[in-house]
Amino acid sequence: AQKITQTQPGMFVQEKEAVTLDCTYDTSDQSYGLFWYKQPSSGEMIFLIYQGSYDEQNATEGRYSLNFQKARKSANLVISASQLGDSAMYFCAMRDVEWSWGYQKVTFGIGTKLQVIP
Amino acid sequence: DSGVTQTPKHLITATGQRVTLRCSPRSGDLSVYWYQQSLDQGLQFLIQYYNGEERAKGNILERFSAQQFPDLHSELNLSSLELGDSALYFCASSSTSGGESSTDTQYFGPGTRLTVL
Repeated sequence: AQKITQTQPGMFVQEKEAVTLDCTYDTSDQSYGLFWYKQPSSGEMIFLIYQGSYDEQNATEGRYSLNFQKARKSANLVISASQLGDSAMYFCAMRDVEWSWGYQKVTFGIGTKLQVIP
Repeated sequence: DSGVTQTPKHLITATGQRVTLRCSPRSGDLSVYWYQQSLDQGLQFLIQYYNGEERAKGNILERFSAQQFPDLHSELNLSSLELGDSALYFCASSSTSGGESSTDTQYFGPGTRLTVL
């Protein structure tokens, strides 16, 4: 069974500083996908970044980058130049692909609450 | 705006009642997923439909059912509601059923907040 672990219930970061949110995963699959989502206090889930297990380079999307270390089974999210609007819950997630049936199921971690301090 | 719409935004009802939550996927997306987010259980996958057919089931109770219609919108039906069903229910959509070679990102709707009194 897949498992996603986010060990930081809450994090504080100074505005304009960088912050790393930790995520480790456990899977026996060779092919999988890792995602990060942001959930502000308004409740919506916003897709941030994706990393495929066969991608050799770390994914980047603007101020977001994913530090993917396959051997250590970690997929940490790095937010550079934090902004006040980055204050939110952040969820790490893994996609499980059942190729023969063609379905995908996504397992989420429990989240990390990030607060950006002015 | 993800392009996924959900109605209603808020729903307040009583125990024992039945409600229907509606979701319209992003234009062109064939897969719809339903999730439940509660304080004690976190974000739990309920069920996936692809082009009208059920594809995967997660932690969905027997009192809950879903369907996807020919126009690809989906409904989640919750019956015999209990206090513990109070949660935020998300619908997400993706372009395919899932595949190794695609990112096939799931884009989430704004959610329906259900309160059972």
